[in-house]
Amino acid sequence: DAMVIQNPRYQVTQFGKPVTLSCSQTLNHNVMYWYQQKSSQAPKLLFHYYDKDFNNEADTPDNFQSRRPNTSFCFLDIRSPGLGDAAMYLCATSSSGGAGDTQYFGPGTRLTVL
Amino acid sequence: KNEVEQSPQNLTAQEGEFITINCSYSVGISALHWLQQHPGGGIVSLFMLSSGKKKHGRLIATINIQEKHSSLHITASHPRDSAVYICAVRSPDSNYQLIWGAGTKLIIKP
Repeated sequence: DAMVIQNPRYQVTQFGKPVTLSCSQTLNHNVMYWYQQKSSQAPKLLFHYYDKDFNNEADTPDNFQSRRPNTSFCFLDIRSPGLGDAAMYLCATSSSGGAGDTQYFGPGTRLTVL
Repeated sequence: KNEVEQSPQNLTAQEGEFITINCSYSVGISALHWLQQHPGGGIVSLFMLSSGKKKHGRLIATINIQEKHSSLHITASHPRDSAVYICAVRSPDSNYQLIWGAGTKLIIKP
């Protein structure tokens, strides 16, 4: 089945130790998104790619970076995780980002920072 | 005031009951989404609406653009429907940003 896959599902890192979360999709969608969701809050968009064009939200900390080496894969790099970065990280894709677009979400990676 | 308001925040019902979750929004929109999030995190898109009504299995979603209101209904509810249901709208000013409601936590008891 076509889907959005995130690995790992659970990630534990130490304060300040870089960590990379990965997302892959078999939907061949143009747009890939990274969201951060903290407990009992709505997901917060960090950035998105339209093809190779990277779009950072204005309030996304510099500590968060992303790479999209090809259509299928997108990575979230957290350069120096702090305790406040512990959250669920959700990857999503959509076909074109247009008004009628549906976003397809992965299962998420829960990040714990010790 | 939030741009997207959901009610109720929490809902507990018995298996088999008809469930209604409401969403009101204060901004102009190009589309409204209903999503489901189970404990453990993954989000599933249920519906995308710009007008009228959509049905999928036991789920029905309606939207009234003039009143800026949408409802999600679940018929013959089942414990596996227990999840957080989220309303999110897409502003015409942003192709990529969704404005999210706070979610409705639904528990269906057997």
